[in-house]
Amino acid sequence: QLQLQESGPGLVKPSETLSLTCSVSGGSIGSSGHYWGWIRQPPGKGLEWIGTIYYSGSTYYNPSLKSRVTISVDTSKNQFSLKLSSVTAADTAVYYCARRNTYSSSGGYYFYYYMDVWGKGTTVTVSS
Amino acid sequence: DIQMTQSPSPLSASVGDRVTISCRASQSISSYLNWYQQKPGKAPDLLIYAASRLQSGVPSRFSGSGSGTDFTLTISSLQPEDFATYYCQQSYSTPYTFGQGTKLEI
Repeated sequence: QLQLQESGPGLVKPSETLSLTCSVSGGSIGSSGHYWGWIRQPPGKGLEWIGTIYYSGSTYYNPSLKSRVTISVDTSKNQFSLKLSSVTAADTAVYYCARRNTYSSSGGYYFYYYMDVWGKGTTVTVSS
Repeated sequence: DIQMTQSPSPLSASVGDRVTISCRASQSISSYLNWYQQKPGKAPDLLIYAASRLQSGVPSRFSGSGSGTDFTLTISSLQPEDFATYYCQQSYSTPYTFGQGTKLEI
């Protein structure tokens, strides 16, 4: 059974870089067709997609964060990581990693994407 | 970015009720719409993908419908464990965006 686990510092100082790792177990991060992503949720608020990565290194980022975000993958460790630079209090949130899966219909003409396996989330607070 | 708007929020209901949650996209997204359930302190769980396809292991009382800009999540008979917050999410284009959430209250 595929499981994802986030890890990293729970407290980051303003202007510094937030670094998190997502460890994948029960499956390979290099499995075909699966992307791996990060989503965050500020306290009491909704969900915000940060970005996704394929095992080859291909990435998609949210433009609202793109100048500060780097997502990378380490297939040898079956992990992927998030770095968010120049953090402020607005970056305080629960950070989730998730697998993006694909459903194809109509003989492979249409591809539908959805996040079907999530980590439990890790709380990151930005404060001095 | 595609804006996703859910209604109502919050939603009050009772065990055994049939409830409907709506989600509207700011532009047509065909059937690229997913629904998630989130309980306090937990990660979201996928319920429905591609607007109407039930995720494996999800009870059949959950169903999704719609295409284009208007979508619906229906719970046919509310169970105590269904009281949670529900989010829609579009996967038509990046950045993927979520609705603001609908909190289903007793």
